[in-house]
Amino acid sequence: GENVEQHPSTLSVQEGDSAVIKCTYSDSASNYFPWYKQELGKGPQLIIDIRSNVGEKKDQRIAVTLNKTAKHFSLHITETQPEDSAVYFCAAPFSNDYKLSFGAGTTVTVRA
Amino acid sequence: GAGVSQTPSNKVTEKGKYVELRCDPISGHTALYWYRQSLGQGPEFLIYFQGTGAADDSGLPNDRFFAVRPEGSVSTLKIQRTERGDSAVYLCASSLAGGAEYEQYFGPGTRLTVT
Repeated sequence: GENVEQHPSTLSVQEGDSAVIKCTYSDSASNYFPWYKQELGKGPQLIIDIRSNVGEKKDQRIAVTLNKTAKHFSLHITETQPEDSAVYFCAAPFSNDYKLSFGAGTTVTVRA
Repeated sequence: GAGVSQTPSNKVTEKGKYVELRCDPISGHTALYWYRQSLGQGPEFLIYFQGTGAADDSGLPNDRFFAVRPEGSVSTLKIQRTERGDSAVYLCASSLAGGAEYEQYFGPGTRLTVT
């Protein structure tokens, strides 16, 4: 099955700075990579995703990059704001299928 | 529009009891998933429904766990003879159809505590 590793486990940044979270995956057949944001007491919320036919995707202050050769993908948050504080999860499907395998999560704290 | 809803939001039960957790997916979504999230970890896949049938239940930890989706919409996750190790947040997600190309949208989860 798919093995997804996520780093770092915690990240503290000053408001306005950038945050970067990195994930690696094991199944070379995977071609869909979503990122979820989870706030305390809530379910994961899809914030951005990327498919293997592109190397980068951007949505306002959030961007995701994908390197299929190295089997890793990253989330970039620019101009961080206090409301960006949450746990972020990367995921990849098992064998390019419907089941998602999640990373262990990164707790992001944005200091005002 | 309305997202995925789950009830109850919290459930406390005694070891050995039976519990049912309910999920209402987004209207029109044919695919439904159950995941389990332990403290400090990412969600782990339990079971996937396409329509009324369980297309993949390979993530269910043992035969105490069972899920149904009789009319292809609402789903119920059933846990028999609960154990303290079953304590976790149970998340439901739905997507327009099954397959990696369809985004999965999660509900708020049910926090199950077995005492």
